[in-house]
Amino acid sequence: QKEVEQNSGPLSVPEGAIASLNCTYSDRVSQSFFWYRQYSGKSPELIMSIYSNGDKEDGRFTAQLNKASQYVSLLIRDSQPSDSATYLCAVRRLQGYQKVTFGTGTKLQVIP
Amino acid sequence: DADVTQTPRNRITKTGKRIMLECSQTKGHDRMYWYRQDPGLGLRLIYYSFDVKDINKGEISDGYSVSRQAQAKFSLSLESAIPNQTALYFCATSDFSKDTQYFGPGTRLTVL
Repeated sequence: QKEVEQNSGPLSVPEGAIASLNCTYSDRVSQSFFWYRQYSGKSPELIMSIYSNGDKEDGRFTAQLNKASQYVSLLIRDSQPSDSATYLCAVRRLQGYQKVTFGTGTKLQVIP
Repeated sequence: DADVTQTPRNRITKTGKRIMLECSQTKGHDRMYWYRQDPGLGLRLIYYSFDVKDINKGEISDGYSVSRQAQAKFSLSLESAIPNQTALYFCATSDFSKDTQYFGPGTRLTVL
């Protein structure tokens, strides 16, 4: 089982719709959770971080965390073509040096 | 100017050659990382350093070595490049008190 799992996609949504991106993780001692966005050929950039159960909203983005189910998601409201990118889920474990593990990413396509 | 820079941005080399990738940062962060990214495999940690005197292997360090010349500089070397080291390489930094990683623009390395 991979430490961090994401559906590779592509996930296609029409412009203006809600895009829902999902991530599961295997290590129950995971402490911090991140969503990075990566445009093709570019470096990852942080969109959101979440540390406690529940929802965290930032503009059009909402991160949701459920530690009991070991599940974290990212919702993008009013999706725009500029949101088309690969979204990487990352998880930091409370172990050792507190390693951050990245998922392989979900490719999102927003159709105009 | 970019906070995290990498040189070169692109490099084509031949099997058996020694290659050095360089990373510099102006963010003042203590922690620096080297990752490689391959299609379908996501970001994988090669080496990480928490300060100039602290260097640690990541999950895929074989065939690589690093040098932390100063707080702001972290170099990755391929002693004898092989074709399966063809990948996109990213340097990243983080502050000891925060989890967010800031990535450089990446180096696309091709080993023929």
